[in-house]
Amino acid sequence: NAGVTQTPKFRVLKTGQSMTLLCAQDMNHEYMYWYRQDPGMGLRLIHYSVGEGTTAKGEVPDGYNVSRLKKQNFLLGLESAAPSQTSVYFCASSVIRTRGGNEQFFGPGTRLTVL
Amino acid sequence: GNSVTQMEGPVTLSEEAFLTINCTYTATGYPSLFWYVQYPGEGLQLLLKATKADDKGSNKGFEATYRKETTSFHLEKGSVQVSDSAVYFCARGGTALIFGKGTTLSVSS
Repeated sequence: NAGVTQTPKFRVLKTGQSMTLLCAQDMNHEYMYWYRQDPGMGLRLIHYSVGEGTTAKGEVPDGYNVSRLKKQNFLLGLESAAPSQTSVYFCASSVIRTRGGNEQFFGPGTRLTVL
Repeated sequence: GNSVTQMEGPVTLSEEAFLTINCTYTATGYPSLFWYVQYPGEGLQLLLKATKADDKGSNKGFEATYRKETTSFHLEKGSVQVSDSAVYFCARGGTALIFGKGTTLSVSS
């Protein structure tokens, strides 16, 4: 099993350009997440999904959109990139556990630079 | 509100030293608690977890005990190695995890 994969690994954009980050998981997990990691800020949740066709906002959703058309894929879109969106983006997935302990499995990250 | 606070780093230790990284949380109810580790250039990996009060999670010589009374989940290791150098994140469970800001550990030989 590949686990959680992310494409691309690196990307440089100019201000105003758009792009889509792809996350795929082969563990049949219901939940998927997008985080951004910035120095001194830890990981902050952008959007998440609790199942195919559903999405919800996290802590820092502005400037991003997501879609979960297939259970195994979770796409993160930037419609008009800004320098403030320079960051490392991590995707994660998890199972549903009724008794808690639903640890998340992370992808390797996408390093995005917006000039 | 719901948050996770962990000690700021960096933490610099010599090999075989004792490690403690403090973590406290706020939450309604009793969430699951986690420690994740991030090695340079990689994503986060689960290190250990605890799902209820007084549970002790352990892995690779690391331990953490879920303390309901002090709302804490401190990470400890008796003898660190150079290979333990990484960033450690404490997290509180729920529909989505809430992470602390991370603590960088640097171990020298």
